[in-house]
Amino acid sequence: NAGVTQTPKFQVLKTGQSMTLQCAQDMNHEYMSWYRQDPGMGLRLIHYSVGAGITDQGEVPNGYNVSRSTTEDFPLRLLSAAPSQTSVYFCASSYSWQGGEQYFGPGTRLTVT
Amino acid sequence: AQSVTQLDSQVPVFEEAPVELRCNYSSSVSVYLFWYVQYPNQGLQLLLKYLSGSTLVKGINGFEAEFNKSQTSFHLRKPSVHISDTAEYFCAVSVREYGNKLVFGAGTILRVKS
Repeated sequence: NAGVTQTPKFQVLKTGQSMTLQCAQDMNHEYMSWYRQDPGMGLRLIHYSVGAGITDQGEVPNGYNVSRSTTEDFPLRLLSAAPSQTSVYFCASSYSWQGGEQYFGPGTRLTVT
Repeated sequence: AQSVTQLDSQVPVFEEAPVELRCNYSSSVSVYLFWYVQYPNQGLQLLLKYLSGSTLVKGINGFEAEFNKSQTSFHLRKPSVHISDTAEYFCAVSVREYGNKLVFGAGTILRVKS
């Protein structure tokens, strides 16, 4: 098992550009989520999904879109990048939607200039 | 809204000394509690979790935590730390009826010195 994989590892964008952060898991987990990590703030939930075709907003969803067409993949789209979106992004997955251990990917470090 | 406070941003400690990393959460409703560890330039790894039952939870790498409902705390302890324990530690909470939506504390950097 590869676990949770994320691509790319690093990305630099100019303000206003769009991009998609990829996340995939091979553990047949129903629950997937995206967090951003900023210094001194821990991780904050952006969007999550409890299964294919079902997504919902987390704590900081503005400026981000998600979709879940398959169990395995959960891409995060930045529609028009802003410097405030400079962060490290983590994807996570869990077998159970409640109380289950969440497995985190290695992260994508995004810089918006 | 749920919040998590990690009372120390950095904890320096000598090798083989005991350590406690403190965590308090805001809600009195039924919660699940977690401690994650992040090594430099890596993702997060689960150390331990409290879902129900015994309030003393044992995790990997010799860590343990105690759930105290009256004080809404979930402090992490290790009786003897190693250099390899140097990392950032995150406390997180989820409310039972809201599923796996984790709210994280700001993190505590544990620096183990020789």
